[in-house]
Amino acid sequence: EPEVTQTPSHQVTQMGQEVILRCVPISNHLYFYWYRQILGQKVEFLVSFYNNEISEKSEIFDDQFSVERPDGSNFTLKIRSTKLEDSAMYFCASSEAANGNNEQFFGPGTRLTVL
Amino acid sequence: QKEVEQDPGPLSVPEGAIVSLNCTYSNSAFQYFMWYRQYSRKGPELLMYTYSSGNKEDGRFTAQVDKSSKYISLFIRDSQPSDSATYLCATMAWGAGNKLTFGGGTRVLVKP
Repeated sequence: EPEVTQTPSHQVTQMGQEVILRCVPISNHLYFYWYRQILGQKVEFLVSFYNNEISEKSEIFDDQFSVERPDGSNFTLKIRSTKLEDSAMYFCASSEAANGNNEQFFGPGTRLTVL
Repeated sequence: QKEVEQDPGPLSVPEGAIVSLNCTYSNSAFQYFMWYRQYSRKGPELLMYTYSSGNKEDGRFTAQVDKSSKYISLFIRDSQPSDSATYLCATMAWGAGNKLTFGGGTRVLVKP
């Protein structure tokens, strides 16, 4: 069964460093997303991406964040200068978005720890 | 008022019992409703996806949506210890970049 994959599973970084989180969405999906979940809190929407551009972004997704689809399979989230409060699980998701199908399938997540 | 609210639990039931979960939401623009299961430190796993009001059944799971009262429910029949997890409801409005708004989750414990 097709699934969303994410690498790395765990990333430890120093405050102020740049990190890139990587995702491979399900191959025939057209819509891609990033969400985050701070330990013990809700899953929060960060950004959605369609047709090579950002479709929607939340207040959390400020200038420190960027997304890219560098090739036909990968979808990345970059945090330019990490802060302690960026420590969270980051989930990538994708949806088919064809014929009104908006089911979003999530990856296993990358646990980001900022020291 | 929070957009999507869930009782955090924990909800403890004996094996074989029916688990009843619910969410309330405030935004009448929400039209799509989902239930996800999340095991500790794992990604959310999609269980049920419904559009607008009504019921949907899939195996042991039944999802109900009542848009008039802004209330969504998930029932799990014949619960198993493997159903022990956190259950998240999520909603989405049309044309909002497919942004999902999640509830805080209800932790469920099914005891053998």
